[in-house]
Amino acid sequence: QQPVQSPQAVILREGEDAVINCSSSKALYSVHWYRQKHGEAPVFLMILLKGGEQKGHEKISASFNEKKQQSSLYLTASQLSYSGTYFCGTDEWAGGTSYGKLTFGQGTILTVHP
Amino acid sequence: DADVTQTPRNRITKTGKRIMLECSQTKGHDRMYWYRQDPGLGLQLIYYSFDVKDINKGEISDGYSVSRQAQAKFSLSLESAIPNQTALYFCATSDLSRAGELFFGEGSRLTVL
Repeated sequence: QQPVQSPQAVILREGEDAVINCSSSKALYSVHWYRQKHGEAPVFLMILLKGGEQKGHEKISASFNEKKQQSSLYLTASQLSYSGTYFCGTDEWAGGTSYGKLTFGQGTILTVHP
Repeated sequence: DADVTQTPRNRITKTGKRIMLECSQTKGHDRMYWYRQDPGLGLQLIYYSFDVKDINKGEISDGYSVSRQAQAKFSLSLESAIPNQTALYFCATSDLSRAGELFFGEGSRLTVL
């Protein structure tokens, strides 16, 4: 089942902050975040693993609430280059490991203006 | 050169034609995936493979088939293309040592008339 992202779209001015949320009805092993520019392939930003480990981007942070199966991506002091569509991808918990496949949310369109 | 290469990058075809999209990778990853992207629907998993002998259906496998010819090659076929298969298709690879981070190819845009 597809995770649900909110909001669907965000418009910012440079320097402003944004939060993008991702919620799943399944028990999760990990949550991934990717950014896609128009006409390009998605690019990895961050992985949050069950148990609290994080791996990813230096300038972007995220959280993972394991009890609620929710993740949030925090974009601070936004830059023009942050514009794009952000996707969360969830990998379900398979009793000690993962299923090894991501189910993606519908995406959040982020637009940063000068 | 890209680590994950898809061919063709663009293809226009007619209803009923057989189409193959190819994916090759130089990353040495065991796991390979095919995703389909439609506007507003995110990325939907078609098929995935954890090694040459392990192929699994994803969320939307009907109308598609795959072949894992080698560790580095994973092909997606549409046996009889239909207009609602018009979409952007992405191949991706991953490796357990990087917690399943996906590395995407540049995408193949398919139009079925």
